[in-house]
Amino acid sequence: EAGVTQFPSHSVIEKGQTVTLRCDPISGHDNLYWYRRVMGKEIKFLLHFVKESKQDESGMPNNRFLAERTGGTYSTLKVQPAELEDSGVYFCASSQVTSGRGEQFFGPGTRLTVL
Amino acid sequence: QKEVEQDPGPLSVPEGAIVSLNCTYSNSAFQYFMWYRQYSRKGPELLMYTYSSGNKEDGRFTAQVDKSSKYISLFIRDSQPSDSATYLCAMITNAGKSTFGDGTTLTVKP
Repeated sequence: EAGVTQFPSHSVIEKGQTVTLRCDPISGHDNLYWYRRVMGKEIKFLLHFVKESKQDESGMPNNRFLAERTGGTYSTLKVQPAELEDSGVYFCASSQVTSGRGEQFFGPGTRLTVL
Repeated sequence: QKEVEQDPGPLSVPEGAIVSLNCTYSNSAFQYFMWYRQYSRKGPELLMYTYSSGNKEDGRFTAQVDKSSKYISLFIRDSQPSDSATYLCAMITNAGKSTFGDGTTLTVKP
């Protein structure tokens, strides 16, 4: 069974440009999470989808970030316009169970560099 | 103050040593406790998962949780060079939101 996949693996853009990250969760997993690790800091929660609905988006830094999960399958995270401080590794995770009892499976991450 | 504090490391140990990795937390809402291993350029991989105080053993790995002290540990026995990675503790509330420690980088030297 395929794990969580993310695309692209690495993106280098200039400040002010737009970038869209994609996450394909494990098939059948209703729960999808986005996390971000900025250099030197811990992995931080961004938001949580249950199917196509945003369950918790309390970690989204500001309105330059837009996450979608149309149809409840894959998800995209768009950053527009990108700023230097957005550089980091963006992880996606999925789980079958909504509560904390469910194991979250992580993708390999997308490394975003904003110049 | 961070909700989760992890001993920073880095740690460098000889092969065969016992390794102890530790985290403390402040949020009583955390109900589930995880240890992840992350190799370079990879996503975190779940190693151990516990939800009650006490010890849980899986091969060379033992996870320990003390809810009264808000302290968790991961012990690695007979450490191997392949254990060299960054280890992350994470805590989860009932709603499924994870909070991570900063990670501890471990190097096991042959």
